[in-house]
Amino acid sequence: GQQVMQIPQYQHVQEGEDFTTYCNSSTTLSNIQWYKQRPGGHPVFLIQLVKSGEVKKQKRLTFQFGEAKKNSSLHITATQTTDVGTYFCAGPRYSGGGADGLTFGKGTHLIIQP
Amino acid sequence: SAVISQKPSRDICQRGTSLTIQCQVDSQVTMMFWYRQQPGQSLTLIATANQGSEATYESGFVIDKFPISRPNLTFSTLTVSNMSPEDSSIYLCSVERGRTNTQYFGPGTRLTVL
Repeated sequence: GQQVMQIPQYQHVQEGEDFTTYCNSSTTLSNIQWYKQRPGGHPVFLIQLVKSGEVKKQKRLTFQFGEAKKNSSLHITATQTTDVGTYFCAGPRYSGGGADGLTFGKGTHLIIQP
Repeated sequence: SAVISQKPSRDICQRGTSLTIQCQVDSQVTMMFWYRQQPGQSLTLIATANQGSEATYESGFVIDKFPISRPNLTFSTLTVSNMSPEDSSIYLCSVERGRTNTQYFGPGTRLTVL
């Protein structure tokens, strides 16, 4: 079945340092999505990438979708304490007539030391 | 954006009992899903809650253990039956945002089984 792998599992950084998490799918994806989950919270949608090679930015966050539409990355520049949380990538699951929920990567836990 | 509420927010239950979790959305939605998130882990899709028909379960999840109701386009319930400590998890409902395939998540129900 479809697998979505994500590395690293944990990342400790000093505040102000950059952070990157990588996502790789076993199958070609029609789109890839990124979610952030704060400690004790629920996943919140960040962005969706659809096109091969697409790059999108949200302030200090840069998202990329690979040319083959099987991998993606999230890069945060100059991390802040508000960036703490777990970042998940997710791809659509398809069952017959269309998408049916999401397959999530294991997530990268970002820990920031002030 | 959809506003999703879940009840209860948390519960502590005894082994062998059952718990029904409610998910209420403030607008009509076609696609509604139930996920499980074990402590410190990723999200795993349990099933798609279909309005007017039986839920569609993912591999490893069965109706007898996780019966789901979807009486209308704004409400669904998930029951965790005959609970064991292995069922201790966060259970989240989600709805699809328009036709984008991206999702809003409810706040989750934190279940502890003793």
